[in-house]
Amino acid sequence: AQSVAQPEDQVNVAEGNPLTVKCTYSVSGNPYLFWYVQYPNRGLQFLLKYITGDNLVKGSYGFEAEFNKSQTSFHLKKPSALVSDSALYFCAVRDKEYNFNKFYFGSGTKLNVKP
Amino acid sequence: EAGVAQSPRYKIIEKRQSVAFWCNPISGHATLYWYQQILGQGPKLLIQFQNNGVVDDSQLPKDRFSAERLKGVDSTLKIQPAKLEDSAVYLCASRPGTSVDEQYFGPGTRLTVT
Repeated sequence: AQSVAQPEDQVNVAEGNPLTVKCTYSVSGNPYLFWYVQYPNRGLQFLLKYITGDNLVKGSYGFEAEFNKSQTSFHLKKPSALVSDSALYFCAVRDKEYNFNKFYFGSGTKLNVKP
Repeated sequence: EAGVAQSPRYKIIEKRQSVAFWCNPISGHATLYWYQQILGQGPKLLIQFQNNGVVDDSQLPKDRFSAERLKGVDSTLKIQPAKLEDSAVYLCASRPGTSVDEQYFGPGTRLTVT
């Protein structure tokens, strides 16, 4: 079965420090992986995706993610956090077995960036 | 390009009442999704349409939930009768339909059942 796990419910970081939000996946074959951000009372917004190629993927708002096949991870990173980055972050993986248009979401990680 | 539209944004009803949500996806997007997002959890797929046909409704509580996508464009999701545990945000998303595309989400409808 396809799945993603976000082991941290919450991540706290000081403004200006680097941040990492963790995601591990379980999927057969090469995965298609996604990161979304959700601000209060808003829908999910796409940040970046890994399909193939370079393991370091760059996305919106200065975020990037590193795909690591041996560790089955796709951690979201940013070199210098902003208070405005405080939000809920979701990792997702696309189904590769039965329904290629189906996505599985993690439980989410709340990022708190303190001034 | 206009985004995914949803209405209403907020709804409060009593248990056993019925409610309907509406979604207008991005023009030309073949795939439409309805998700249920309970507070503190990730989105859970309720139903997925490809054009006007249902692809996956395995997690839709069919005794009380129904959905349709007439003419392969707009979609409605209905709950009848509502239960307290249906309190959640209902998200609509759409995709063009190619294998590498991401989903585009609407703002969601926050449902409170009292």
